[in-house]
Amino acid sequence: AQRVTQPEKLLSVFKGAPVELKCNYSYSGSPELFWYVQYSRQRLQLLLRHISRESIKGFTADLNKGETSFHLKKPFAQEEDSAMYYCALGTGTASKLTFGTGTRLQVTL
Amino acid sequence: DAGVIQSPRHEVTEMGQEVTLRCKPISGHNSLFWYRQTMMRGLELLIYFNNNVPIDDSGMPEDRFSAKMPNASFSTLKIQPSEPRDSAVYFCASSPGTVYGYTFGSGTRLTVV
Repeated sequence: AQRVTQPEKLLSVFKGAPVELKCNYSYSGSPELFWYVQYSRQRLQLLLRHISRESIKGFTADLNKGETSFHLKKPFAQEEDSAMYYCALGTGTASKLTFGTGTRLQVTL
Repeated sequence: DAGVIQSPRHEVTEMGQEVTLRCKPISGHNSLFWYRQTMMRGLELLIYFNNNVPIDDSGMPEDRFSAKMPNASFSTLKIQPSEPRDSAVYFCASSPGTVYGYTFGSGTRLTVV
């Protein structure tokens, strides 16, 4: 069965420091991977998709099939990046995504 | 496009009462999902529909919960009778296909007292 692991519940960094939010997945086929962000008391918003290879708000994520990882990175953290981040895995069947448990990013001055 | 629309935004009800949450997906999206979010349990998938047909309801916690999708533009999640432990934020999401990801609604914050 597919699984998404986000090992850190909380990641605290200083403003201007690099950020890496870890995501590992378990799936034997071709995965579709996503990062979602949820700001305080708001809805989940799609941040980026691996298929797009895009950079949103300075965040990037590279799919590493060898390590089955899709870590989210940003070179310089900003206060407004403080939020909950969810990694999600799609397997192409029936449109269902499997979400990780989320990592709370806290950016402090 | 107005996105996924959920109503009400907030609901406070007494234990034992029936609660109905509503969702209007994005036009053209053929999949609809209901999630529950709590501090203790995080984000849980309750049920999802493809082309208005329920595909997987294994996440529905009890028989007190039921969901319907009578047409492509409307879905309801009903809790009857409601209990305090049902207090959570309930999100609806829709998708045109997995590769595109989901679009979430703003959620309904339910408080059962």
